[in-house]
Amino acid sequence: DGGITQSPKYLFRKEGQNVTLSCEQNLNHDAMYWYRQDPGQGLRLIYYSQIVNDFQKGDIAEGYSVSREKKESFPLTVTSAQKNPTAFYLCASSIGRGPTEAFFGQGTRLTVV
Amino acid sequence: AQKITQTQPGMFVQEKEAVTLDCTYDTSDPSYGLFWYKQPSSGEMIFLIYQGSYDQQNATEGRYSLNFQKARKSANLVISASQLGDSAMYFCAMREGDAGGTSYGKLTFGQGTILTVHP
Repeated sequence: DGGITQSPKYLFRKEGQNVTLSCEQNLNHDAMYWYRQDPGQGLRLIYYSQIVNDFQKGDIAEGYSVSREKKESFPLTVTSAQKNPTAFYLCASSIGRGPTEAFFGQGTRLTVV
Repeated sequence: AQKITQTQPGMFVQEKEAVTLDCTYDTSDPSYGLFWYKQPSSGEMIFLIYQGSYDQQNATEGRYSLNFQKARKSANLVISASQLGDSAMYFCAMREGDAGGTSYGKLTFGQGTILTVHP
């Protein structure tokens, strides 16, 4: 079945460590997105990518990095520079433009211990 | 800068009644799309409805309709005949730059409105 897969579902990280969240889609979508959601809050855009080997900073990119080497994959690295990384992370993809919604993965809940 | 504003942190509605969730947006791009998503407590994001900036008619999808007032830059979601299963967080979102430009494809969300449906 086509869809977006985020892994892992739950992730624990020690302070000072980098950690990479996986996002894979088999929908042949050009655009991919990463969002951060804090409890009871909205989704804040971290990074987005419209095509392979290109990506743009969102509203809260500091402390995060991404790559887009393949159309299907858009991994997010939470670096030690991110001071408050505990949050729910959602990945999405879409065709790119027009009346097409973004499809979301199930999310990764990251906790710093 | 916040470009999507949802001013209602929480809303309550009686089962079978209609409810309107407010959303205002700000963009200088003439070509954009507006979306509404539902997020139950499980965390998944469920797409509800889409409105394009050039669409002449308000979008409808079953019990969901979007009251699009372009001059006021508002895109309110109307849920008719509320059901207990409608209790969730609702997000308004905007994708800018459908015609290209520096903000091409940027998809941003509002803060959300928690809807509670009472029996």
